[in-house]
Parts: sequence; C-alpha cells; structure tokens
Amino acid sequence: GQNIDQPTEMTATEGAIVQINCTYQTSGFNGLFWYQQHAGEAPTFLSYNVLDGLEEKGRFSSFLSRSKGYSYLLLKELQMKDSASYLCAVRYYGQNFVFGPGTRLSVLP
Amino acid sequence: DVKVTQSSRYLVKRTGEKVFLECVQDMDHENMFWYRQDPGLGLRLIYFSYDVKMKEKGDIPEGYSVSREKKERFSLILESASTNQTSMYLCASSLLGGRSYEQYFGPGTRLTVT
Repeated sequence: GQNIDQPTEMTATEGAIVQINCTYQTSGFNGLFWYQQHAGEAPTFLSYNVLDGLEEKGRFSSFLSRSKGYSYLLLKELQMKDSASYLCAVRYYGQNFVFGPGTRLSVLP
Repeated sequence: DVKVTQSSRYLVKRTGEKVFLECVQDMDHENMFWYRQDPGLGLRLIYFSYDVKMKEKGDIPEGYSVSREKKERFSLILESASTNQTSMYLCASSLLGGRSYEQYFGPGTRLTVT
C-alpha cells in the first residue's frame, strides 16, 4: 500500500509559525488533502492540492511538490485553538483516500 | 450546512455480540465510507460505497460487513465483535465525480469491546 509519513508530534508557541510536513509515494497521485481534528471530534477539511505550488487560505497555507512527493501545511499566527491533530490524506487513481498517521500539534502560551 | 450523523458517540459491547453502527448524511452524496482510527495508525478504510446497494472492500474489511439500502444511510456491522475491534469508528461521505471532492466526517463512535 501507499505509505504517508508525517511527524508524530510538534510543539509551537502562540503567535508563531509552524510547518507540518507530509511525504507520500508519487505513483498514481491524484490529489492531497489536509484535515484538522480536535481531540474527540471529527476531522474537518482544511485544504486541497492537486497542482504544484502554494494554496493560501487565511492563516493556513498548503504546498505541494508532486515530483518530490512532498507537501506541507503552514500555520501562521498560531492560536491556542490550533492545538489539534493535522491529517495528511492522499487520493490515488483507482483508489480511495490514504491517510497519514496525523501530527499532533500543541500550541503553548 | 452539511451534516453526517452517527447513531452513537459511545458504545460498549461484549465479545461475540453483533454490533450495528449507523451513519446518515443529508447532503445527497453518492460516496460513503467507514474508517477506524487508532493511535499511531491514522484512519484506515474498512468499506466504502458509491451507490445504493453497492459496496467495496477497503484496506481492512475482515470481521466487518456493510449495508446501504438507501442513499443517505450506510451501516457498518460487526458480525461477532472481538476485543481487537475496540476503536474509534468514523463515517464519511463525499460527492462522486472526476474531481477529488473532500470527505465530510461524522462525529465518530467510540466502540469498546470487553
């Protein structure tokens, strides 16, 4: 199967910028999604990348390099409410989504 | 406002019991999915359905079955619950189409099998 790798945990300070990386196998790639999941809640959609480059949406941006099998989620002006798990998911042709293990982000005051 | 609901937030069952988890979506989505989420493993796809009465196995279908008799409802069945099926179960739905539409998730059911 396709493996998706993300760091397990990250810690950052309120007001700072944090970058969460995701690497995946490139063969059959058909789009990459980022989801946010607060503890005990459902994942919610953050962003979608299918072409190379940066997609910006307010404080959150997502970058994709298809040739490198690499994406990152950039969170600016961190707030306490950004403490959550961030899930990278890749869709492959002929298959459904494959999710990474998630990165648990802790934002400290 | 899009909505996916699941029948229970918490469920405790005994080993060997038959367990039904229900999921309903009100967005007229064609695709529906069942995942389980375990620490360190992420979301793993159990089964999905792209139409009424249609089902496809995901990555970990063993020990599970599904039913989709109506477009809005997708049920996950544990024929004989076992302790290794203790997990968080998440239902999701999405549109069918050429574009990769995002999935909308329900709140999850935390199942404990004792």
